[in-house]
Amino acid sequence: DAGVIQSPRHEVTEMGQEVTLRCKPISGHNSLFWYRQTMMRGLELLIYFNNNVPIDDSGMPEDRFSAKMPNASFSTLKIQPSEPRDSAVYFCASSLGAANTGELFFGEGSRLTVL
Amino acid sequence: TQLLEQSPQFLSIQEGENLTVYCNSSSVFSSLQWYRQEPGEGPVLLVTVVTGGEVKKLKRLTFQFGDARKDSSLHITAAQPGDTGLYLCAGARGNKLVFGAGTILRVKS
Repeated sequence: DAGVIQSPRHEVTEMGQEVTLRCKPISGHNSLFWYRQTMMRGLELLIYFNNNVPIDDSGMPEDRFSAKMPNASFSTLKIQPSEPRDSAVYFCASSLGAANTGELFFGEGSRLTVL
Repeated sequence: TQLLEQSPQFLSIQEGENLTVYCNSSSVFSSLQWYRQEPGEGPVLLVTVVTGGEVKKLKRLTFQFGDARKDSSLHITAAQPGDTGLYLCAGARGNKLVFGAGTILRVKS
């Protein structure tokens, strides 16, 4: 069975450019999470969707970040305009239930470098 | 400040040695999970502990949840090079799963 699929795996861009990261959760999972991982701050939850509805976006750094989940099989995380401090590995994860009850299945991550 | 503090941050040991890593907090969690992450991959769940004082074993790995549900430990017996990776604890608070910064384990052969 396919796991969580993220694209692109690697992205190098220049400051000010728009970045779009994509995620396909595991079929049947009703919760989707976007995390950011850096050496300094570890894994940080950015936003959490349940049944395609954003439940908690308190971790989204600022207005430059936005996330959408138009249907149960697709989500995007957009950064516009990007800045060097956004450089990190962005993970998408999905689960059958809420975050506090079940296992999170992570994708392989999208490594973003903003020059 | 991390809600979950993990120690040590980095551990390098020889194959065959035993080790323990810790996950501590001043907050109570309804459950706590341990994940292992290898380079270039996402974290993978090892275990979930729910009850205070609970002990779970997974082959050479032993996980314990503190009686007050504020802390946890992971003990590895006879470590092998395949155990190398980043070990993350994660606590459930409300509708969120909050991760510690992790312990990087390197097992040398």
